[in-house]
Amino acid sequence: GAVVSQHPSWVICKSGTSVKIECRSLDFQATTMFWYRQFPKQSLMLMATSNEGSKATYEQGVEKDKFLINHASLTLSTLTVTSAHPEDSSFYICSVGQVQETQYFGPGTRLLVL
Amino acid sequence: SQQGEEDPQALSIQEGENATMNCSYKTSINNLQWYRQNSGRGLVHLILIRSNEREKHSGRLRVTLDTSKKSSSLLITASRAADTASYFCATDAQGFQKLVFGTGTRLLVSP
Repeated sequence: GAVVSQHPSWVICKSGTSVKIECRSLDFQATTMFWYRQFPKQSLMLMATSNEGSKATYEQGVEKDKFLINHASLTLSTLTVTSAHPEDSSFYICSVGQVQETQYFGPGTRLLVL
Repeated sequence: SQQGEEDPQALSIQEGENATMNCSYKTSINNLQWYRQNSGRGLVHLILIRSNEREKHSGRLRVTLDTSKKSSSLLITASRAADTASYFCATDAQGFQKLVFGTGTRLLVSP
């Protein structure tokens, strides 16, 4: 299966700063990548679908101006949390793969906003 | 919300026992998948069962699907301490290009 990496694995930042999270598909050309958010002891909630070379599709309730997604190549998608606040503290996970088939997940990025 | 539900929310068993987790969903689906997540890590794919299948096996895993009841179950036989993790079902609703995850079951297998 595909190997997916995320960087950084964890980040601590001050409130008001912006944080960029990278998702790389190491051996799979991903025209689509998915970004999820997971709060402690909860399930994964899809935030947005990242499309290579075009705009991301955001789920209802997710602010596109706050969670900027860029999918500039078939192997890299980035999620930027702008002006982060403590309530943005969460575990962010990306995945690649077709929806009707197996999804391959990155190891996740834990964000703590102080 | 389209999110499915799983039960039990938490399950604690001894090594060697079987563990059964159930998943219910709300819409018609193309397939249903089960994933495992170790604490603080990403998800690992376990098994995919298509809507026209009723049962599937993979090693110590057995998955059933009842589309009339919109439910699925995951059975782990002869559990091991290393099976301790959270288990999620995920469905791709027909007409939607996304996976919807269930609420998850936290499994603890004690030696």
